[in-house]
Amino acid sequence: QQQVKQSPQSLIVQKGGISIINCAYENTAFDYFPWYQQFPGKGPALLIAIRPDVSEKKEGRFTISFNKSAKQFSLHIMDSQPGDSATYFCAASLGGETSGSRLTFGEGTQLTVNP
Amino acid sequence: ETGVTQSPTHLIKTRGQQVTLRCSSQSGHNTVSWYQQALGQGPQFIFQYYREEENGRGNFPPRFSGLQFPNYSSELNVNALELDDSALYLCASSTQTQDTQYFGPGTRLTVL
Repeated sequence: QQQVKQSPQSLIVQKGGISIINCAYENTAFDYFPWYQQFPGKGPALLIAIRPDVSEKKEGRFTISFNKSAKQFSLHIMDSQPGDSATYFCAASLGGETSGSRLTFGEGTQLTVNP
Repeated sequence: ETGVTQSPTHLIKTRGQQVTLRCSSQSGHNTVSWYQQALGQGPQFIFQYYREEENGRGNFPPRFSGLQFPNYSSELNVNALELDDSALYLCASSTQTQDTQYFGPGTRLTVL
């Protein structure tokens, strides 16, 4: 059962443009939603994360928008740069001590930012 | 860099063999989670270790096993390797009171 669905699978954006990646989840018990960036041959690196009590969180050029009623959240990358070209994963976890914070990942989005 | 290290970087094995992968967690982190990432897919949770015991397991068969040591480092063991076990194996360290997980660079396992 795919509990976190991510789209699009790939995305091409011009330098300076806005990149938008969307995720939808099924389990309403999820309460922690991180985004990871992964470069080829590297492990995923945490970009930004949000909890369901907040509708938006911004860190630099990265913004998460969260819609609890729709069970959707998205990553917006403002002023996209060629160095942002990577694979992006959304994830979700139950959080808390009882769950052990296992992460359920989306399928990934390959972002290419053209110069 | 996250401070999470993994060894080896790459490994080639043949079907039926056994493999051990190692992970050192970030300083101050007492929890290690292991994930399998097949090519072109998102990481899949294998299991987690806390206080040297398994603390949650994903949909992986018993031939995937692990250990955690008193210094919080961890091993992932896979017996009777199958071709489909070829993947990037990631470990992530965290604490039990925080949700954030920090990933290591991974071990690329190829099964021939």
